[in-house]
Amino acid sequence: DSGVTQTPKHLITATGQRVTLRCSPRSGDLSVYWYQQSLDQGLQFLIQYYNGEERAKGNILERFSAQQFPDLHSELNLSSLELGDSALYFCASSVAVSGGTSYNEQFFGPGTRLTVL
Amino acid sequence: GNSVTQMEGPVTLSEEAFLTINCTYTATGYPSLFWYVQYPGEGLQLLLKATKADDKGSNKGFEATYRKETTSFHLEKGSVQVSDSAVYFCALTPTNTGFQKLVFGTGTRLLVSP
Repeated sequence: DSGVTQTPKHLITATGQRVTLRCSPRSGDLSVYWYQQSLDQGLQFLIQYYNGEERAKGNILERFSAQQFPDLHSELNLSSLELGDSALYFCASSVAVSGGTSYNEQFFGPGTRLTVL
Repeated sequence: GNSVTQMEGPVTLSEEAFLTINCTYTATGYPSLFWYVQYPGEGLQLLLKATKADDKGSNKGFEATYRKETTSFHLEKGSVQVSDSAVYFCALTPTNTGFQKLVFGTGTRLLVSP
């Protein structure tokens, strides 16, 4: 158990709908990362938040958005869903102390499997 | 840009066989390199890492050496077990700071039979 929790575990929805995925980082971790794992694209970085602020953006679609709340949990919102959005969505967290030069290990949650029908 | 290329799977081995999974990378600067493992139905776990050239990462009998001259980070294990069956991902962060995203390879599935 990594200490990172994600809900729900599975989500089945229809095209055009909107869903929210939730992530609670490990206690004490300030940084949250979202990744998408799909059969055709592999594992891709979507977005990172640090202590409530967006820090880095990857291949995240405009239909997707995320935020990190004061209690440090994060939500990934996916809207106008398409069949191709079906994937496993992982959240990871790390300490990510500001100014650090050593790698802060990212701890991954179990993922949310999204199926768009 | 930054990218990771790893061998296609599945890799099928018998228990106690020697394992090599090849990984090469393209990156600007001096990346940190990682191997992650994903067991069925679970998230990714960091298996080992190396942050500079010639570093050797090791864990649970797995090893990988950061080779800058060949831009490689091949994963090896001398004697695999059935419990090693999983998907293995090679990854990098473009620089060795705490804020960078992970860039993953496509993953290599390892199947170990008794």
